[in-house]
Amino acid sequence: DQQVKQNSPSLSVQEGRISILNCDYTNSMFDYFLWYKKYPAEGPTFLISISSIKDKNEDGRFTVFLNKSAKHLSLHIVPSQPGDSAVYFCAASAGGGADGLTFGKGTHLIIQP
Amino acid sequence: DSGVTQTPKHLITATGQRVTLRCSPRSGDLSVYWYQQSLDQGLQFLIQYYNGEERAKGNILERFSAQQFPDLHSELNLSSLELGDSALYFCASSVASWGLNTGELFFGEGSRLTVL
Repeated sequence: DQQVKQNSPSLSVQEGRISILNCDYTNSMFDYFLWYKKYPAEGPTFLISISSIKDKNEDGRFTVFLNKSAKHLSLHIVPSQPGDSAVYFCAASAGGGADGLTFGKGTHLIIQP
Repeated sequence: DSGVTQTPKHLITATGQRVTLRCSPRSGDLSVYWYQQSLDQGLQFLIQYYNGEERAKGNILERFSAQQFPDLHSELNLSSLELGDSALYFCASSVASWGLNTGELFFGEGSRLTVL
């Protein structure tokens, strides 16, 4: 039973445009959400996070939106740059993270020139 | 460079064998986490240690065990290996026990295990 779902295995976006990566979750106990970015042959790196008490968090070109009623979050990258090409993982935790982070399967973002 | 070091980077072994993966956390980090990434799967949480003590357990098989030593490095032991154990094993570290909800885990580059 996948509690964090990223339904798009890959996404192709033109350089300069907006990239929108989506993530759905089923566990209503999740109260903290994170996005990680992963390049080939490297470990995932933390990108941005959001607490369930907020509906938006922004950091430079990256914004995460949380819709608790729909159990949906999205990551917006504006403008998209070639260096953004990577696999993006959505992750969630509950109750202070006692059970670790639950990750989605990832979305491979490809930025085309 | 995340500051988390994992060895070996690659490991090929046979079914039924036992291997040990090693992780050195970032300087000052007390928590170590182990994750498994199989083909087409997300990162599956295996186990967490905080300052030498087991803190949380995820989907870790009984054939697998881990420990964190006084110098805070950690080892993941995988025994009676099966073909399905072939995966990338990531170690991550953080400053404090997860309860502070800092969110940020620092991952190593992973150890790729191939079981033939």
